[in-house]
Amino acid sequence: SYVLTQPPSMSVAPGKTASIPCGGNSLQTKSVHWYQLKAGQAPVSVMVYGSDRPSGIPERFSGSISDNTATLTISRVEAGDEADYFCQVFDSASEHSVFGGGTKLTVL
Amino acid sequence: EVQLLESGGGFVQPGGSLRLFCAASGFTFSDFAMNWVRLVPGKGLEWVSGISNSGGSTHYADSVKGRFTVSRDNSKNSLFLQMNSLRVDDTAVYYCSKDEGGIAARVFEYWGQGIRVTVSS
Repeated sequence: SYVLTQPPSMSVAPGKTASIPCGGNSLQTKSVHWYQLKAGQAPVSVMVYGSDRPSGIPERFSGSISDNTATLTISRVEAGDEADYFCQVFDSASEHSVFGGGTKLTVL
Repeated sequence: EVQLLESGGGFVQPGGSLRLFCAASGFTFSDFAMNWVRLVPGKGLEWVSGISNSGGSTHYADSVKGRFTVSRDNSKNSLFLQMNSLRVDDTAVYYCSKDEGGIAARVFEYWGQGIRVTVSS
């Protein structure tokens, strides 16, 4: 089955930039989506189709894909950005949706 | 405003059953596929099941296939997940999620607050 790989954790100082990677085989051929999960809250879609921001998501959030790695970038990080971030793709071979293991972003 | 409200979770012993419900509002329910996704403690998000907008197509993760059944009632804007033969590793917070289009498991556009399911002896 298809696998997406994320680092379990990252930390960043307020005002700095966080770049969260998501790796997968031939990832550039797939549509990658990102979700933010804060404790006790509903998950939120923060990036779709690699680099499209859903309505209401700050411009500080951006996305990109290069070769086998998708990256969610958060500029000028704020305390409120502290959350778990998950990447996700649809695997057409299995007709299943697949999530990465998630990255816990800590704002120092 | 899209709203998704899950209910029906709780505590159950291994081998038992539970039926989850998701009440949807704020959009034309019959136009969109729906999904169940769970947050497993210490393991992250796992897609569980999806159903097309018409209900004619369903998909399941390998871990639940044959034990869980997803269904919907478009006349009542409701989504269901019948969970049988529950195992300890089914313990999770289960989320109802609206897909972006009519085919399931593509993009999880909106999510509910989640409902906890605990399977333990």
